[in-house]
Amino acid sequence: EAGVAQSPRYKIIEKRQSVAFWCNPISGHATLYWYQQILGQGPKLLIQFQNNGVVDDSQLPKDRFSAERLKGVDSTLKIQPAKLEDSAVYLCASSLVRDEQYFGPGTRLTVT
Amino acid sequence: AQSVTQLDSHVSVSEGTPVLLRCNYSSSYSPSLFWYVQHPNKGLQLLLKYTSAATLVKGINGFEAEFKKSETSFHLTKPSAHMSDAAEYFCVVSDLEGTYKYIFGTGTRLKVLA
Repeated sequence: EAGVAQSPRYKIIEKRQSVAFWCNPISGHATLYWYQQILGQGPKLLIQFQNNGVVDDSQLPKDRFSAERLKGVDSTLKIQPAKLEDSAVYLCASSLVRDEQYFGPGTRLTVT
Repeated sequence: AQSVTQLDSHVSVSEGTPVLLRCNYSSSYSPSLFWYVQHPNKGLQLLLKYTSAATLVKGINGFEAEFKKSETSFHLTKPSAHMSDAAEYFCVVSDLEGTYKYIFGTGTRLKVLA
């Protein structure tokens, strides 16, 4: 079974630029999550989708971050404009409803 | 509100000796508890999970954890450390009643000495 795919794996941008990350979950997984993991910390949930709908986006900085999940499958997370403090690993995870989460390899973002 | 505390940010053991990584949790609901491992530049891999069945949970690579409700603990153990066990370990609490949202601990970095 293929795992959660993410791209790109690494991205370096300057502050105030925009960036987008892509995630393809495990086939059949209705729930998709985006996490931000700052160096030395545990992952923090940014947004949770169930199929096309948003279940929880309470910790998403909506003035600069946006996410969408078209057709209930792939998802993109966008940052515009980026700040230095957005440097982190962005993890995507997927799960069946009410089940353990499977994580992708992450995208390491460096904002200079 | 749910929370999880990993009591040690760094643990060092010698190869072949036991491993103990400590985790305490707080939850208003019947919790699900997980341990994940993260190797450098890799995603998180599930080691084991507790979901209100047997209190002693066996996972992959020889790891196990015991759910102790009276102590609100879910410590991770392994009888004999291997060099490949060196990684970051995260304890996670989730609830069965709500959105199944994960709350992560701050992580424990395990170092295995030759």
